[in-house]
Amino acid sequence: EIVLTQSPDFQSVTPKEKVTITCRASQSIGRNLHWYQQKPDQSPKLLINYASQSFSGVPSRFSGSGSGTDFTLTINGLEAEDAATYYCHQSSSLPRTFGQGTKLEIK
Amino acid sequence: EVQLVESGGGLIQPGGSLRLSCAASGFTVSSNYMSWVRQAPGKGLEWVSVIYSGGATDYADSVKGRFIVSRDNSKNTLYLHMNSLRVEDTALYYCAGGGDYGYWGQGTLVTVSS
Repeated sequence: EIVLTQSPDFQSVTPKEKVTITCRASQSIGRNLHWYQQKPDQSPKLLINYASQSFSGVPSRFSGSGSGTDFTLTINGLEAEDAATYYCHQSSSLPRTFGQGTKLEIK
Repeated sequence: EVQLVESGGGLIQPGGSLRLSCAASGFTVSSNYMSWVRQAPGKGLEWVSVIYSGGATDYADSVKGRFIVSRDNSKNTLYLHMNSLRVEDTALYYCAGGGDYGYWGQGTLVTVSS
């Protein structure tokens, strides 16, 4: 099973700040890595697929990069509405696995 | 507009059975990779099962032999048949569509408790 480890687990940030969340895979997964945003009491929403492709309708301040075992989600110019938990997810092999989540709090 | 709507959750005793449904609109279940993903209260996301467009299925070890995923193409609906339910199966169950899980339902809550 591929283990995905996100860092940090929690981050408190101010609006307009640049935020970087990392996801490390226990073995190479190519670019089969996706990022989701989940707000309280809502379903997860796809932000970035295949490491760096923005999903339809996602604001341009969200971007992704990486390949192999190391991946990054970047939020440029954080907005108050970005308060949420962010998960990475690999589709390289079964069982499909998720990172433990990174909770972003807006100061 | 794509919509996935889950139903069928509820309170069930350990050892019981339940069938979850995921009705799709604007999205063809039979043509897509469809999964069930669950989230225990206050916890992260856990993949449960998949049914491929060709009909093959796969399961997490934690549910293998107890859960069965299926679909009804005429109703454009995905199902999860859950048997021998355990307390640790308590979670919000989501259906997710597409290989990258671009589409999610709102979830249906399953509570396994005596």
